[in-house]
Amino acid sequence: EVQLVESGGDLVQPGGSLRLSCAASGFTFSSYAMSWVRQAPGKGLQWVSGISGSGGNTNYADSVKGRFTISRDNSKNTLYLQMNSLRAEDTAVYYCAKGVVRGLTYFDSWGQGTLVTVSS
Amino acid sequence: QLMLTQSPSASASLGASVKLTCTLSSGHNSYAIAWHQQQPEKGPRYLMNLSTDGSHIKGDGIPDRFSGSSSGAERYLTISSLQSEDEADYYCQTWGTGPLVFGGGTKLTVL
Repeated sequence: EVQLVESGGDLVQPGGSLRLSCAASGFTFSSYAMSWVRQAPGKGLQWVSGISGSGGNTNYADSVKGRFTISRDNSKNTLYLQMNSLRAEDTAVYYCAKGVVRGLTYFDSWGQGTLVTVSS
Repeated sequence: QLMLTQSPSASASLGASVKLTCTLSSGHNSYAIAWHQQQPEKGPRYLMNLSTDGSHIKGDGIPDRFSGSSSGAERYLTISSLQSEDEADYYCQTWGTGPLVFGGGTKLTVL
């Protein structure tokens, strides 16, 4: 059974940094692209960033480009999101999502989410 | 620009059927999409992948009541024999060469 467990969400001040983690199990982690998707309070889903199975290709939403960095450690079956220069509008539940192939397409499994609150 | 448009809300009676629509932006009629469900206070759940020809691959455990179809730039999710637990937000999602895209979501109310 596929399991994705996010952690690292917290309350952080504007301009601060945070690193999210997503521990994956139940599948061959390195064979699949992974993404981070967020949901601001009362809003819809927004794709944030994705990374190929090998980690060699990454992609970002314009709203986070230059501030967030996605990475993965295939030896630890873990996905990361390093978030710098955080803004109030980054406040959201962040979900880890598993792709269906090595490249970025769609997601067939989701984590339960971790809450990031950016506020002074 | 690749975009997806969904109606903000829909409603149907318990036991009835409902058809939700997701519209691809101009010039993107050939794109496949995925449908995801988000029940209140829960994380999203993958429902199905839906191709241009209407063929779809459902996620594990998704009931037969959920089906997909396509026509031109429209991608549909039909839910039959509506149950109370089907009351949820439904999102379509697609992909191209750039950022992945979500529709704005449709809030389904089961009356």
